[in-house]
Order: sequence, then C-alpha cells, then structure tokens
Amino acid sequence: EVQLQESGPGLVKPSQSLSLTCSVTGYSITSNYWGWIRKFPGNKMEWMGYISYSGSTSYNPSLKSRISITRDTSKNQFFLQLNSVTTEDTATYYCADLPFFDYWGQGVMVTVSS
Amino acid sequence: DVVMTQTPPSLSVAIGQSVSISCKSSQSLVYSDGKTYLHWLLQSSGRSPKRLIYQVSNLDSGVPDRFSGTGSQKDFTLKISRVEAKDLGVYYCAQTTHFPWTFGGGTKLELK
Repeated sequence: EVQLQESGPGLVKPSQSLSLTCSVTGYSITSNYWGWIRKFPGNKMEWMGYISYSGSTSYNPSLKSRISITRDTSKNQFFLQLNSVTTEDTATYYCADLPFFDYWGQGVMVTVSS
Repeated sequence: DVVMTQTPPSLSVAIGQSVSISCKSSQSLVYSDGKTYLHWLLQSSGRSPKRLIYQVSNLDSGVPDRFSGTGSQKDFTLKISRVEAKDLGVYYCAQTTHFPWTFGGGTKLELK
C-alpha cells in the first residue's frame, strides 16, 4: 500500500522559510513524479511543483524563485522549501504523486503569522 | 495559465437525487499524445482529496458506477446518480495537460 506523510512546523513567521517533508512508503520516489499541492482557506487549490523520478523539477511560475523541491532517495523522502513566506502562504499543504493524483498525504496545515 | 471554471460552486441535494457538475477550461485539454488529462477529485470533510476519475471518464478502482465523467476539448461534466451521504464533500476538476497544472474552484455538495 502506498502511503505519503507530510511533516513540518505548523507555524512560520512572515519572511521566513517554510520547510516540509513528505515520507513515502510502498513506492520508490525514483519512479514517477512527486509533488506539492496546497489548499488555501476556502476551496482554492494550487499545484506548487514536482520532482521527477530522475530528480528534475518543475515549479508553478506563480511561486517564482521562492520554491525548491529536493529529495533524499535513501530515505524515500522529498522536501518542500518555500522562502520569504507571507500570510498569503497560509494553507494546508499536501504531497501527492503526480500527474494523476493517485496518492495523497493527509496534509499539514501551515499558518504564517508573527 | 489554463483557467478551470467549475459550476455550480455549491449544490444542495436530497439523498437519491442525481446531480451534475460542470468544468470548463479556457483552452483545449487535449495533449500532444491525443489524450485528455482532465481528472475529478473529491475531498470529504476532514480528509485528503481522493481521485475519482482520471482522463475524463476512467473510474478509479472502488468508485461506484453511480459516478460518470464525460466531455471533450474544453467542456467536461461529472454526473453523480442516486447521491448517497458518503458522496458529500467538495469536488474538484483538475487538468495536467498544460503547465502550470490547475484546478477548478470546487463544488461543495451538501445535503438539502
């Protein structure tokens, strides 16, 4: 059974960096694409980016140069770093396998507040 | 970016009723390989999103055939026949044909 689990702080101060980890079991992240999606208060969903089986990345241009997705294949984990956060980055962050959304993590709510 | 316009934003239904949700894209979702990467997801209260249908009309394993997806190019529909209580939640269409991948605004299905 494929499982994804996000972890990371639930509170981040404005201007700081948000860092999350997605731990994957039951499937190797050296296969397929793995990414981050966030859901804002209300219903809006946004695809943030992915890291591929080869380690290449693709990001949503809306996040410009603030985002970085990396991985540790030895631990079967991949990571999200979002820099210079503002209150508008307050959202629930999900990791998922892409591009078909087969599997999702349970989500982690991140609040940006001083 | 491809804009996904989902309507209605909310639906109040009685158990056993049938409903349809529309999803219209600002560009054709046919990819260069001829396939259409339009998917439907359901997020039930307190849970992660779950995919119901992929590539317009393919039901995921375990999804009852009360659900059906149709459409082509820029116009897509999710139909739910004989709504059950477990169908309640927020439905999203999502496209992975064009970068950046985008979602519809969601349709909240609730009990009348």
